[in-house]
Amino acid sequence: GAGVSQSPSNKVTEKGKDVELRCDPISGHTALYWYRQSLGQGLEFLIYFQGNSAPDKSGLPSDRFSAERTGGSVSTLTIQRTQQEDSAVYLCASSVLTGGGNEKLFFGSGTQLSVL
Amino acid sequence: AQSVTQLDSQVPVFEEAPVELRCNYSSSVSVYLFWYVQYPNQGLQLLLKYLSGSTLVKGINGFEAEFNKSQTSFHLRKPSVHISDTAEYFCAVRKGGSQGNLIFGKGTKLSVKP
Repeated sequence: GAGVSQSPSNKVTEKGKDVELRCDPISGHTALYWYRQSLGQGLEFLIYFQGNSAPDKSGLPSDRFSAERTGGSVSTLTIQRTQQEDSAVYLCASSVLTGGGNEKLFFGSGTQLSVL
Repeated sequence: AQSVTQLDSQVPVFEEAPVELRCNYSSSVSVYLFWYVQYPNQGLQLLLKYLSGSTLVKGINGFEAEFNKSQTSFHLRKPSVHISDTAEYFCAVRKGGSQGNLIFGKGTKLSVKP
């Protein structure tokens, strides 16, 4: 597609429910990132997929969070047993892997998650 | 590990005034530095980046940033701001020459008033 697409754009859920957030990266982009943006916290790194290498999961805040990337394209971020502190905008970004680390990230518009 | 500190959470300025948004990083190795901007109701986009070479980097919309290794800073500047520059600005760092994740600061909200 023309850009990084995220769905849904808004998700309201009840505490304790599981949610799945989807990210469609730009075609041909082999690197994919998930960030969380909440008030006063800026962009918090969650997980990074780089080609066929093992993902960098060092930013996932707890074992309730997981993500996968099937077929090197679409990624799903799953939050189990949601808590109110999980409320935030979840951003996905993708980029071309250049090997040098200088590539530009393209961001989606995010999913606004509200846990009641 | 790398980290980024943006010293000001909010910066209000009047139109046509100069502005400097501060960013300091910590790293024991060489780094790549970036500024991203998020306009209201839009996604983040790259403003400029420093990889190597000249320490003064020019970006889009008249912004520039200067890499200062001794002060571990990468402050963003614009000599004369417009109302349309109202946005949130994020400084980011990545270990140089690596494909590691990109670490962002907490952001600075620039509000330009008429």
